[in-house]
Formats: sequence, structure tokens, C-alpha cells
Amino acid sequence: DIVMTQTPLSSPVTLGQPASISCKSSQSLVHSDGNTYLSWLQQRPGQPPRLLIYKISNRFSGVPDRFSGSGAGTDFTLKISRVEAEDVGVYYCVQATQFPQTFGQGTKVEIK
Amino acid sequence: EVQLLESGGGLVQPGGSLRLSCAASGFTFTTYSMSWVRQAPGKGLEWVSGISHTGDTTYYADSVKGRFTISRDNSKNTLYLQMNSLRAEDTALYYCAKGAYVTMENWGQGTLVTLSS
Repeated sequence: DIVMTQTPLSSPVTLGQPASISCKSSQSLVHSDGNTYLSWLQQRPGQPPRLLIYKISNRFSGVPDRFSGSGAGTDFTLKISRVEAEDVGVYYCVQATQFPQTFGQGTKVEIK
Repeated sequence: EVQLLESGGGLVQPGGSLRLSCAASGFTFTTYSMSWVRQAPGKGLEWVSGISHTGDTTYYADSVKGRFTISRDNSKNTLYLQMNSLRAEDTALYYCAKGAYVTMENWGQGTLVTLSS
């Protein structure tokens, strides 16, 4: 199975400041079809997960443009350009290149 | 608007069975693969199972293989998860999600499965 490792596991951020989360996979996430199936999910407290980013850098419908994804191969990053109060929650990377799909441990974003 | 409504969770004894359902609406169910993902209390997300849009192809996590069966009824826009030989470690909130091969686009609110003797 592909192991997904996120850092940091906790990220206290000042409102209006940027935040960045790293996700590394134990093997390349490039699929045989040439795509890289790496997504980012947000889980606000008491809520189900919500898709933010798919295929490394594509924002899902309705996701604010302060969220961006980047990376390639085994190293990926989610950035929030200016953190707002509603961004508090746990963020997960997940790979769908190979079954079983695997998630990172989650990164808790909180306001300082 | 995409809606996914899970049901069927509850309190069950170890060794028992449950069948979860996920009623889908707001999209063309027959053209989408689907997934089940679970979250143990206070823990992270664990993918459980996926199924193709036709139901012909299924995938399972090793932790549930041979005990859980995913299926779908495209005439009823409903996804199922039959869970047998349940164990204490199966206690979790079970989510259904739209999509399996590229990403999981939309998620339901979840249904809670609790194992207790």
C-alpha cells in the first residue's frame, strides 16, 4: 500500500496569514494513464470531509481561490494564501492512483 | 445539488452483521463509481471499499476483505455495504462518497456503527 505522510500534524496560524501543508507519498503517484490522482480534503469540526483539490492542483466547484495545490511525483503541497476563521479544521491528502486509496494522517489547522 | 444519505448504522455485537445504505440524488448515479470511507472516533479517514459505475468491479481494504461486500442498485440510485463478522475495530462513522477512481467529490453525513457486547 502507498503510505501518505503529512507534515506538520498541527499548524497554528494567525488570521490573514498563509498556511502550508506537505504531503509525501511512499511511491510515485503518477498513474499509467499519465495523471496524478492526489487530492486534498478539508474536514471542519463535526462535519464530513469536503473535497478541495483534485489531481494535484484542480480546485473543486465552489472552493475559494485562496486554496491552491502543487507538486509532482511523491511531494505535494496545499497552501492557503490567507487563513480565514472558517478554514479551521483537519486537512487530509489522499491518493487514488492505486487501490487501496490511502489518506495522510491529517493536519489540524487552528487559529493562534 | 448532490445529496448522499447514509442509513443502517447502529449498535451491534461483535460477530454480528449490518447493511448500510446510501441513497444518492442530484446526479446521474449510473455514471459514477462510488466509495465507502470510515472514521473511527477521534481518528483519521480510512478507505473501506469502492465500486465501478456498473457494479462489475469492486475493491476492498485488506482490513475488511472477506467480511464486507459493496454493491449498488442503479435502478434505486442506492449504494450498499453489507458488513458481516463485525469486530470492535469496525466501530466508526461510515461515509459514502461519489467517485472512486479519480477522487471522492461529494460526501454524505455518515452513519455510525458501534460494536459493543
